[in-house]
Amino acid sequence: GAGVSQSPRYKVAKRGQDVALRCDPISGHVSLFWYQQALGQGPEFLTYFQNEAQLDKSGLPSDRFFAERPEGSVSTLKIQRTQQEDSAVYLCASSPTGTVNSPLHFGNGTRLTVT
Amino acid sequence: SQQGEEDPQALSIQEGENATMNCSYKTSINNLQWYRQNSGRGLVHLILIRSNEREKHSGRLRVTLDTSKKSSSLLITASRAADTASYFCATSEPNAGKSTFGDGTTLTVKP
Repeated sequence: GAGVSQSPRYKVAKRGQDVALRCDPISGHVSLFWYQQALGQGPEFLTYFQNEAQLDKSGLPSDRFFAERPEGSVSTLKIQRTQQEDSAVYLCASSPTGTVNSPLHFGNGTRLTVT
Repeated sequence: SQQGEEDPQALSIQEGENATMNCSYKTSINNLQWYRQNSGRGLVHLILIRSNEREKHSGRLRVTLDTSKKSSSLLITASRAADTASYFCATSEPNAGKSTFGDGTTLTVKP
């Protein structure tokens, strides 16, 4: 595809359920990032990968959050035992290089609502 | 926690006017980037300025960077209704792989 694709676009989960959010980056992009965006705020960094290696997961809020990118392409962000405070838009971005001097290409996000 | 802070939080102008948004940050940076976000969409990259650059232009956009004051500004000239969006600055620190975003300026351009 031409851009970063995220699915599902919307997800409603009951508190305590597990969810999995998928990101298809631009083909060939080395770096992949996950951000969490609350309403009216800027994106907050969660974690990032260079190829299949998870180089920084310092932004993951708790051990209920887990991300993987096993083959260096598609990535999944999993949230276990969802809580209401997990409600947010989850944005995925990819970048063609492994340096910070390349712009990020964002998907349209997954809006997660935990009821 | 956010590295950058945009100012103002909200800005409303008439079509044709210029819009200026500011970003302040706290630590040394490798580069600073500006992004636009339309409602319900992802962010779109506008411009990247490196720490050794002072000014950069792209179409109707002009970005300045003052590393001594740890601040940047984004100027949109001759604004259009289609420029209505939220604008975010993002900084990348040396030896860090990630970019850190501010909370954005919401720009409304009235036709």
